[in-house]
Amino acid sequence: AQTVTQSQPEMSVQEAETVTLSCTYDTSESDYYLFWYKQPPSRQMILVIRQEAYKQQNATENRFSVNFQKAAKSFSLKISDSQLGDAAMYFCAPYTGTASKLTFGTGTRLQVTL
Amino acid sequence: KAGVTQTPRYLIKTRGQQVTLSCSPISGHRSVSWYQQTPGQGLQFLFEYFSETQRNKGNFPGRFSGRQFSNSRSEMNVSTLELGDSALYLCASAQGAQNTEAFFGQGTRLTVV
Repeated sequence: AQTVTQSQPEMSVQEAETVTLSCTYDTSESDYYLFWYKQPPSRQMILVIRQEAYKQQNATENRFSVNFQKAAKSFSLKISDSQLGDAAMYFCAPYTGTASKLTFGTGTRLQVTL
Repeated sequence: KAGVTQTPRYLIKTRGQQVTLSCSPISGHRSVSWYQQTPGQGLQFLFEYFSETQRNKGNFPGRFSGRQFSNSRSEMNVSTLELGDSALYLCASAQGAQNTEAFFGQGTRLTVV
């Protein structure tokens, strides 16, 4: 079974600063995908970034980037130039084809202050 | 392109009743997954359908069931509702057999009283 650990229940960052959210996971699969989702107060789950496990290059998407360490099973999200709109719950979620499902962590609540 | 549409958005039911939630995926998407989100248990996987076939089911009692139609729309049903079934139910759709990019609907907030 897959397990996902997000050890930071809450994080705070000042506007325009950089913050890193951590995630570790456990899977016996060799081929899988990793995702970060954002859930603002509207509760809509929004895909932030994805990483294919077979790719060594870390994914980037504008101000969002990941640090993927496959051997350590670590998948952290870095948000640069933080904006007020980044305030939300952030969930890390691996996906494997054999399970056909996302396994979500417990989430990190990110606050962005002026 | 329209996103994932879940109906209804809010629902209040009484214990013992049954409820049906609907999810219309993004046009062209053939995979639909359902998740339950509660403050205590977080996000838990319910089931996943691809081309009308259930490929995986989470650890939920038999009161939770679902199906997918030929147009990829999906429904989930909960019978004999319990207070603990109160939750946000999220549906996600993906294009192919691999959910390499799943898009979520806004959810259905179910309250059981």
